[in-house]
Amino acid sequence: EAGVAQSPRYKIIEKRQSVAFWCNPISGHATLYWYQQILGQGPKLLIQFQNNGVVDDSQLPKDRFSAERLKGVDSTLKIQPAKLEDSAVYLCASSLTPTSEETQYFGPGTRLLVL
Amino acid sequence: AQKITQTQPGMFVQEKEAVTLDCTYDTSDQSYGLFWYKQPSSGEMIFLIYQGSYDEQNATEGRYSLNFQKARKSANLVISASQLGDSAMYFCAMRETLYSGAGSYQLTFGKGTKLSVIP
Repeated sequence: EAGVAQSPRYKIIEKRQSVAFWCNPISGHATLYWYQQILGQGPKLLIQFQNNGVVDDSQLPKDRFSAERLKGVDSTLKIQPAKLEDSAVYLCASSLTPTSEETQYFGPGTRLLVL
Repeated sequence: AQKITQTQPGMFVQEKEAVTLDCTYDTSDQSYGLFWYKQPSSGEMIFLIYQGSYDEQNATEGRYSLNFQKARKSANLVISASQLGDSAMYFCAMRETLYSGAGSYQLTFGKGTKLSVIP
């Protein structure tokens, strides 16, 4: 079974530029998550989708971050304009259902460096 | 207040020895889940083990076991017979129920413990 796919793996941009990340979850997984992991910290949830609807985006900086999951499968996360503090690893995860005991499976992440 | 506390920023263990990574949590939920993930230098978060709040038995998965003490709100990970490939960051995480009516179950992570296995 294929795991969660993410691209690109690495991205370097200058501040105020825009950037987009792509995620394809495990086949059949209805729930998709985007996390931000700053160096030396644990991942922090940015947004959670259930199929193509947003369940929780309370920690998403909506003035610059946006995300969509139009067909309920793959998803894109965009930052526009980027700030220096956005340098982090962006992890995508998916789970079969959003229940409390359901395991989230993570992709390899996209490492973003903003100069 | 932190919901997940991992007090050991770094740990060393001799190959083939056992090691315990500490994790304490804070929640007022009655139903919650506790997870441990491994993150090698490649960056991917690898699921290791899960413990539900109502599970009476401690979870085990191969060389990994979870020492769950509900009254003390601790969920320590025990790795037996350490291997060189166990060198990585280890994260404890908790899933609570967000009573938003939308079924969100946010996963909250600790800051992690860096484990180094010495040959």
